[in-house]
Amino acid sequence: DTAVSQTPKYLVTQMGNDKSIKCEQNLGHDTMYWYKQDSKKFLKIMFSYNNKELIINETVPNRFSPKSPDKAHLNLHINSLELGDSAVYFCASSQPGQEGFFGPGTRLTVL
Amino acid sequence: AQSVTQLDSQVPVFEEAPVELRCNYSSSVSVYLFWYVQYPNQGLQLLLKYLSGSTLVKGINGFEAEFNKSQTSFHLRKPSVHISDTAEYFCAVTTTGGGNKLTFGTGTQLKVEL
Repeated sequence: DTAVSQTPKYLVTQMGNDKSIKCEQNLGHDTMYWYKQDSKKFLKIMFSYNNKELIINETVPNRFSPKSPDKAHLNLHINSLELGDSAVYFCASSQPGQEGFFGPGTRLTVL
Repeated sequence: AQSVTQLDSQVPVFEEAPVELRCNYSSSVSVYLFWYVQYPNQGLQLLLKYLSGSTLVKGINGFEAEFNKSQTSFHLRKPSVHISDTAEYFCAVTTTGGGNKLTFGTGTQLKVEL
């Protein structure tokens, strides 16, 4: 059973489009996250949700809007995609203060 | 706020040689520390973690790390590396007060050569 799953695995799109990435975890964790990994492999947190409530928003542009319909799901919607949004986006989940379990990543390429 | 420094961006090493990947952290409160490994085009996998107790922690694939509070370090070691250990290694920290954010270092590329 996959602990943290993301769809799609690859996403290629044109500048200006809107796209969504979905994430689901079956670990029963209270907290879910989105991380962005840039071309230099640097990992930075974007958002964190605890029991469907947003608790961390790390100065991410408003074009990025996370949504958590329940504590097992955290989706990421991106409006008006820009070239600089090209990256690998990782979803993760954890219990507070514990290690994060990461999904396989979504490689987003904006042309 | 916490931060993590991985001083070595790349570490080349011959197969069966020992290796140490360095990690230093900064935090005004107590922390939990982690090492993750990322193989090419894959997600992150937990190697080991320090939450409390013994400062020497053992992880998967023969890796171990030692928490040194006075030096604010959590260096990763393996006595004999294999070609399959070639990957990117990330040190990460979170706070013990229920903080919900993992802060990562910039990563160290371990390249094992024959």
